[in-house]
Amino acid sequence: TQLLEQSPQFLSIQEGENLTVYCNSSSVFSSLQWYRQEPGEGPVLLVTVVTGGEVKKLKRLTFQFGDARKDSSLHITAAQPGDTGLYLCAGPTNSGYALNFGKGTSLLVTP
Amino acid sequence: KAGVTQTPRYLIKTRGQQVTLSCSPISGHRSVSWYQQTPGQGLQFLFEYFSETQRNKGNFPGRFSGRQFSNSRSEMNVSTLELGDSALYLCASSLEGGNNYGYTFGSGTRLTVV
Repeated sequence: TQLLEQSPQFLSIQEGENLTVYCNSSSVFSSLQWYRQEPGEGPVLLVTVVTGGEVKKLKRLTFQFGDARKDSSLHITAAQPGDTGLYLCAGPTNSGYALNFGKGTSLLVTP
Repeated sequence: KAGVTQTPRYLIKTRGQQVTLSCSPISGHRSVSWYQQTPGQGLQFLFEYFSETQRNKGNFPGRFSGRQFSNSRSEMNVSTLELGDSALYLCASSLEGGNNYGYTFGSGTRLTVV
């Protein structure tokens, strides 16, 4: 099993602050995905990164895939209360047919 | 288009009973995966089905089983329920597998075993 370690586990910040969360592994991944999950709902796909060194932006969210394709980061600029949720990274299983997930970073943004 | 539909949303069962959960994927999606989510372990992969065939299975005991029908709808069954089976069970569908196209998740079934 290719393990994905996410840090920090919990993060509580004020509205307007910037933050970065990390997803690390000792394994090389062909791609990594980021999801956000709100309480009582299933995760929602935010982005897929495929190329080492790739940077993708989604409004105030910036995703980066490490050059060696073993890690990824998510940076949020000027966080808003609507960004509150559980952020999960996921990578393909060895079979390639499914995804393994990290345990996630739980983000709370207060007004 | 309709999203992934999981039924029921909430379920309370007694230890030793069995339970069947249902998942209807997005129309046209042939891959369905099931996950168990708990606060301590996060999302753990149960199994993945594609065109009625199980292609991938996680490290869960044989009490956990599933199947997929010709219309891509899927069910999972847990027999001889244990207290530790209490969790949010999530179904995810994709065109051919989550690694290429990403998943669309349902809202989950919250199972409580008492």
